[in-house]
Amino acid sequence: DGGITQSPKYLFRKEGQNVTLSCEQNLNHDAMYWYRQDPGQGLRLIYYSQIVNDFQKGDIAEGYSVSREKKESFPLTVTSAQKNPTAFYLCASSATGGLSPLHFGNGTRLTVT
Amino acid sequence: SQQGEEDPQALSIQEGENATMNCSYKTSINNLQWYRQNSGRGLVHLILIRSNEREKHSGRLRVTLDTSKKSSSLLITASRAADTASYFCAATQGGSEKLVFGKGTKLTVNP
Repeated sequence: DGGITQSPKYLFRKEGQNVTLSCEQNLNHDAMYWYRQDPGQGLRLIYYSQIVNDFQKGDIAEGYSVSREKKESFPLTVTSAQKNPTAFYLCASSATGGLSPLHFGNGTRLTVT
Repeated sequence: SQQGEEDPQALSIQEGENATMNCSYKTSINNLQWYRQNSGRGLVHLILIRSNEREKHSGRLRVTLDTSKKSSSLLITASRAADTASYFCAATQGGSEKLVFGKGTKLTVNP
């Protein structure tokens, strides 16, 4: 079955530590996205990539970094510079960017204490 | 920044009733999409309506788009308890291909 896999489902870290969230897709999609969801805030775009080895900042990129070395993978690193990292993180992919539907993973809930 | 703003923020209805959710957006769009999210899960795509379309159906779902008013509505007919979820609209922002989501409408369907 094709889809997007995010791991782990729950992640706990101490303040000051960097943490990397995994996102893998086997849909052969060119575009991949990372969103952050906070209660009552909807989804906010962190980074997106329309092609391998290229990515752009979204609306809230500060304190985050990404890489896109392979078409299937788009890991997100939450750095210690992110002031309020506790949130639900969603990865998505699409065949042709915003012109086609996004397929989402089931998210990673990150808690930083 | 948010392209879509859903209304109402929360909606509670009885099973069998229809549910209508509205979405307003600010700039020109290529298409508008509706998604559903069950609690603690990822979003699932429901319908995509292009800027040159006015209405689209999928099963019990009906989406309308009024580009002159910059608004869209999602109608769920004969609702079921399993329709309980949050519903989001999303649209592209200006000439960009990135999708921007609204804050969502939380729908509760009581059995």
